[in-house]
Amino acid sequence: DGGITQSPKYLFRKEGQNVTLSCEQNLNHDAMYWYRQDPGQGLRLIYYSQIVNDFQKGDIAEGYSVSREKKESFPLTVTSAQKNPTAFYLCATAFSAGGYEQYFGPGTRLTVT
Amino acid sequence: GQQVMQIPQYQHVQEGEDFTTYCNSSTTLSNIQWYKQRPGGHPVFLIQLVKSGEVKKQKRLTFQFGEAKKNSSLHITATQTTDVGTYFCAGQANAGNMLTFGGGTRLMVKP
Repeated sequence: DGGITQSPKYLFRKEGQNVTLSCEQNLNHDAMYWYRQDPGQGLRLIYYSQIVNDFQKGDIAEGYSVSREKKESFPLTVTSAQKNPTAFYLCATAFSAGGYEQYFGPGTRLTVT
Repeated sequence: GQQVMQIPQYQHVQEGEDFTTYCNSSTTLSNIQWYKQRPGGHPVFLIQLVKSGEVKKQKRLTFQFGEAKKNSSLHITATQTTDVGTYFCAGQANAGNMLTFGGGTRLMVKP
């Protein structure tokens, strides 16, 4: 929400290029998440991080990579190994991992041609 | 792995009609959350249910958690055009587990 920024809002890339999506938060939340949303679909978890310098694979991690060097930042790299990268990517944060409500950023719509 | 199914996938209603979306989990949940995503927007948290049989209300919205903690529902009374969007449930199986989102129900309201 207001405390989570994702940039850019729209991103266009050629097939075969890696691209990094930014996610920054000022909510002082420990947990951060990356989700992928395809048209008319639900949210699928790509990666999550419960604490700085630690992250875990979600359900669809193949072709993606992340880092968590700072509490505020959790960038997602979509690599050329991701076969269908065109999607809406949402970053979310929570006070802590597990059952806390998640706050979502505005999202980045990635189109790869 | 855990699966969360939502029905219906789409619902068209006339303004003023009621609307219900249902969420079913393949496993018992420790809690369930509901989110709303407006067209072109991002999901926004609505509510969390934790107790078996719990019922919570937010104005025209009523949320229920089943006795077996495997299903949930969201009911909107007298829909308005501002209710348009996709409603997602998200379940957590155990403490420390991640949320699993349902596929969402897209609500369209005709004025």
